[in-house]
Amino acid sequence: SYVLTQPPSVSVAPGQTARITCGGNNIGSKSVHWYQQKPGQAPVLVVYEDSDRPSGIPERFSGSNSGNTATLTISRVEAGDEADYYCQVWDSSSDHVVFGGGTKLTVL
Amino acid sequence: EVQLVESGGGLVQPGRSLRLSCTASGFTFGDYAMSWVRQAPDKGLEWVGFIRSKPYGGTTEYAASVKGRFTISRDDSRRIAYLQMNSLKTEDTAVYYCIRAPQTYSGNYYLTPWGQGTLVTVSS
Repeated sequence: SYVLTQPPSVSVAPGQTARITCGGNNIGSKSVHWYQQKPGQAPVLVVYEDSDRPSGIPERFSGSNSGNTATLTISRVEAGDEADYYCQVWDSSSDHVVFGGGTKLTVL
Repeated sequence: EVQLVESGGGLVQPGRSLRLSCTASGFTFGDYAMSWVRQAPDKGLEWVGFIRSKPYGGTTEYAASVKGRFTISRDDSRRIAYLQMNSLKTEDTAVYYCIRAPQTYSGNYYLTPWGQGTLVTVSS
């Protein structure tokens, strides 16, 4: 089965740029989606199809995907961005949704 | 406004059954696949399963951890998706989320929006 690997944690100071990676075998050939989950809340889609933003998501959130790594980039990080972030793909070989293990973003 | 509301969670003994419901509003329910995802306490997201829309066959897919025990179904006339859980185990304890699953042009699925979740606790 397809495996997605995320770093357990990322820390960044307010106003700086956070980059959260999602590794997978030839992930660049798949569409990657990203979710933000704040404590006690349901996840929210923040980026879909590698780099598209749903309505209402700030432009500070962007995504890229190439080779074996997809990246969620959060510019000008704010305290309110502190959350867990999950990447997700659709594995067409198994017809399964696959999630990464999640990354906890801490704003210092 | 697109909204999904789960119900049916609660405390259940190991080996027993439980059925969760997901009532949808704000979109054409029959046009979308629907998915269930769970999250054990202080753990990450785990995909449970998925049901395609009727135009795509209404077929289902399941994670290996629940295949043969869980069944997803849908009633498009009532705008409800169901998760029937049989032979429950303590490791099935989690918050269960219902999510709409839009399909991209390339045939991939993503998940939005998510319901608020319903807690299922399997314990004797």
